[in-house]
Amino acid sequence: DTAVSQTPKYLVTQMGNDKSIKCEQNLGHDTMYWYKQDSKKFLKIMFSYNNKELIINETVPNRFSPKSPDKAHLNLHINSLELGDSAVYFCASSQARGTDYGYTFGSGTRLTVV
Amino acid sequence: AQSVAQPEDQVNVAEGNPLTVKCTYSVSGNPYLFWYVQYPNRGLQFLLKYITGDNLVKGSYGFEAEFNKSQTSFHLKKPSALVSDSALYFCAVRDMDTGGFKTIFGAGTRLFVKA
Repeated sequence: DTAVSQTPKYLVTQMGNDKSIKCEQNLGHDTMYWYKQDSKKFLKIMFSYNNKELIINETVPNRFSPKSPDKAHLNLHINSLELGDSAVYFCASSQARGTDYGYTFGSGTRLTVV
Repeated sequence: AQSVAQPEDQVNVAEGNPLTVKCTYSVSGNPYLFWYVQYPNRGLQFLLKYITGDNLVKGSYGFEAEFNKSQTSFHLKKPSALVSDSALYFCAVRDMDTGGFKTIFGAGTRLFVKA
């Protein structure tokens, strides 16, 4: 039973399109995150949500809009996709905002914009 | 600002030999440090953490890490490497400047274990 699941696993789309990535966790965690991993494997946080509330928005373009309908789900919608958006996007969750909990990551969504 | 640095892009070690993957940190208060591993086409997996207490922390898959406050280091170690340990390893620090809602990752170190 997958702890943090993301769909789709792969996404190939044309520039200018709008797409969404879904994330669900069944761990009962309070906090969820979106991270972007670029082609050089650098990981950068995009958003952090705690109990459905946006806590961190890390200078991400307005074309990226996260939505958390409940604390088990955190979706990412991207408008007007650009070539530079190509990356692997990881969803993650943690038990609480407490500092001593590690993250549980999903397996990632590889987005390719052509 | 909190940060971590992984000075080596790649570490090569023979199977059965001890391995060390280096990490140094820079924090403004007490450090909350983590190691994660990423296998090809997979998400990151939590290995171990240092919050407080013993400087040597033990984690998953036989890995351990040594916290050294004077050297601001948190090196990952394993006494005897396996080929299956070959992966990308990330050191990370919880950013307390943002209330702990963000974890900052190092650039990653690729570990190759040769049979």
